[in-house]
Amino acid sequence: EADIYQTPRYLVIGTGKKITLECSQTMGHDKMYWYQQDPGMELHLIHYSYGVNSTEKGDLSSESTVSRIRTEHFPLTLESARPSHTSQYLCASTPSGRETQYFGPGTRLLVL
Amino acid sequence: GENVEQHPSTLSVQEGDSAVIKCTYSDSASNYFPWYKQELGKRPQLIIDIRSNVGEKKDQRIAVTLNKTAKHFSLHITETQPEDSAVYFCAASVVQGAQKLVFGQGTRLTINP
Repeated sequence: EADIYQTPRYLVIGTGKKITLECSQTMGHDKMYWYQQDPGMELHLIHYSYGVNSTEKGDLSSESTVSRIRTEHFPLTLESARPSHTSQYLCASTPSGRETQYFGPGTRLLVL
Repeated sequence: GENVEQHPSTLSVQEGDSAVIKCTYSDSASNYFPWYKQELGKRPQLIIDIRSNVGEKKDQRIAVTLNKTAKHFSLHITETQPEDSAVYFCAASVVQGAQKLVFGQGTRLTINP
């Protein structure tokens, strides 16, 4: 089924660890986005990509990095997790020529 | 750049009554305005959208109105039901440069039985 997938759904990790949050979409969308959201609160754009080998920083300063080597895959990496990174991370994608964003189920991250 | 303000931040209405959420935007070039509903623990889902060449759009109990001159748009939910309880986000498209949406701060809507 065409959808946008995120793994893991929940992650508890210690301070200083390196983590990668996975996002994949099977809809052939060219634009992809990462948002940080505390539950029920405002969505903060942290990274986006127009297509393969294209990545940009969003409006919220983030210590994370992203890559876009394949159209369907847009992983987000935290080199050294800190308690301030505790939040929900939502991935979204948009088809070419459109503006509507479709969201994945999110990853809830807890850094101890 | 584009800035979107959303009000109110919380809204409580009796079941069966109507709810209205309002958003204003700053960039007159914005031309696409979606509304998302996010239920507790779920992903945001598109419920309705409107383009700048249309003043109103309706889908069953929900409607969106757009006033380009005043740069504001509103979500109207009629005959509210308990399942309408959620956080609602408005957004406006950024036209120049980055192709992205700027989201409002969200409105927590509670439907009281």
